[in-house]
Amino acid sequence: QKEVEQNSGPLSVPEGAIASLNCTYSDRGSQSFFWYRQYSGKSPELIMFIYSNGDKEDGRFTAQLNKASQYVSLLIRDSQPSDSATYLCAVNIPNDYKLSFGAGTTVTVRA
Amino acid sequence: NAGVTQTPKFRILKIGQSMTLQCTQDMNHNYMYWYRQDPGMGLKLIYYSVGAGITDKGEVPNGYNVSRSTTEDFPLRLELAAPSQTSVYFCASCRGNQETQYFGPGTRLLVL
Repeated sequence: QKEVEQNSGPLSVPEGAIASLNCTYSDRGSQSFFWYRQYSGKSPELIMFIYSNGDKEDGRFTAQLNKASQYVSLLIRDSQPSDSATYLCAVNIPNDYKLSFGAGTTVTVRA
Repeated sequence: NAGVTQTPKFRILKIGQSMTLQCTQDMNHNYMYWYRQDPGMGLKLIYYSVGAGITDKGEVPNGYNVSRSTTEDFPLRLELAAPSQTSVYFCASCRGNQETQYFGPGTRLLVL
């Protein structure tokens, strides 16, 4: 089983809709969870991080964490064409210095 | 702060050649990482370092070497380049364990 799994894409949503991205992780000891956005040909950039169960909102982005279900999600409200990118979920590896990255979900926002 | 910088941006190598990919960060981060990303794929960790003089292998270290003589610099050395090393290489750094990793702009390498 992969350490971090993301829902397979690509995900196509109309402009103004909500894009929902999901990520599950295998190690119950993980404590830090990150969402990165990567535009084509560019490097990953951090969108949000979350450490505690529940929701964390930042502008149009909401991260949701459920440690009991080992599940973290990212909601993008009022999706814009500029949100078209690949979104990477990353989870810390307990007792280690590394992050485990998912393969990414590509989102396309249709105008 | 410039953040994480990488040079060169793009390089073409012939099979068997060697080169060093440079990575520098000015955030005084202890932890630094090298990843490769093949087209349409996720990030794979090559090597990482938790401080000057300390390095360790990631999941795909074969064909690469690193050194960490200063906090700021973490060069990645390719010896005897092979077509399988054609990829985009990202350097990243972070302040500490469980902290956000910040990525450089990447180096695109083509081995022919």
